[in-house]
Amino acid sequence: QKEVEQNSGPLSVPEGAIASLNCTYSDRVSQSFFWYRQYSGKSPELIMSIYSNGDKEDGRFTAQLNKASQYVSLLIRDSQPSDSATYLCAPDGNAGNMLTFGGGTRLMVKP
Amino acid sequence: NAGVTQTPKFQVLKTGQSMTLQCAQDMNHNSMYWYRQDPGMGLRLIYYSASEGTTDKGEVPNGYNVSRLNKREFSLRLESAAPSQTSVYFCASSRIGGGLGSGNTIYFGEGSWLTVV
Repeated sequence: QKEVEQNSGPLSVPEGAIASLNCTYSDRVSQSFFWYRQYSGKSPELIMSIYSNGDKEDGRFTAQLNKASQYVSLLIRDSQPSDSATYLCAPDGNAGNMLTFGGGTRLMVKP
Repeated sequence: NAGVTQTPKFQVLKTGQSMTLQCAQDMNHNSMYWYRQDPGMGLRLIYYSASEGTTDKGEVPNGYNVSRLNKREFSLRLESAAPSQTSVYFCASSRIGGGLGSGNTIYFGEGSWLTVV
């Protein structure tokens, strides 16, 4: 069983819609959770981090964390074509306390 | 501010050749990492260095060696390249090791595209 599970997609949404990206993890000791965005041919960049149960909002992005269910999600409101990328979920607490990345979900926002 | 710099950006190797990927960060970070990313897949940790003078294996260390030369530099060496090592390699750094919560952002270099033929 993989430690971090993400639907590989692609997830296709129309411009202006809400994109919902999901991630489940297996390590119960994970305390911090990170969402990275990776454009094709580029390196990952951090877009959101969340440490407590509940929601955290930053502009059009909302991260949601449920530690009891070992589930973290990322909502992107008013999706734009520029949001088209692969989104990687990374909880900490695995492999000697190093970040372990999920396989990523490819998001396509169509004009 | 350069952040994380890795070289070379592109390299083609023949099977059995050796090479070293260089990485340097200018953010005074303690922890450094080498990941590989295969097409359509996520990042897999090869080796990491939690602090200067220490290195540890990650998820896929076989076929690689690393050296934490000083606080700034962390190199990855392929002693005898194999086609299975064709991948994109990312060096990264963070102020502290994972698991310690707020402020522990990992910053990535631009990647090194390696092809082994």
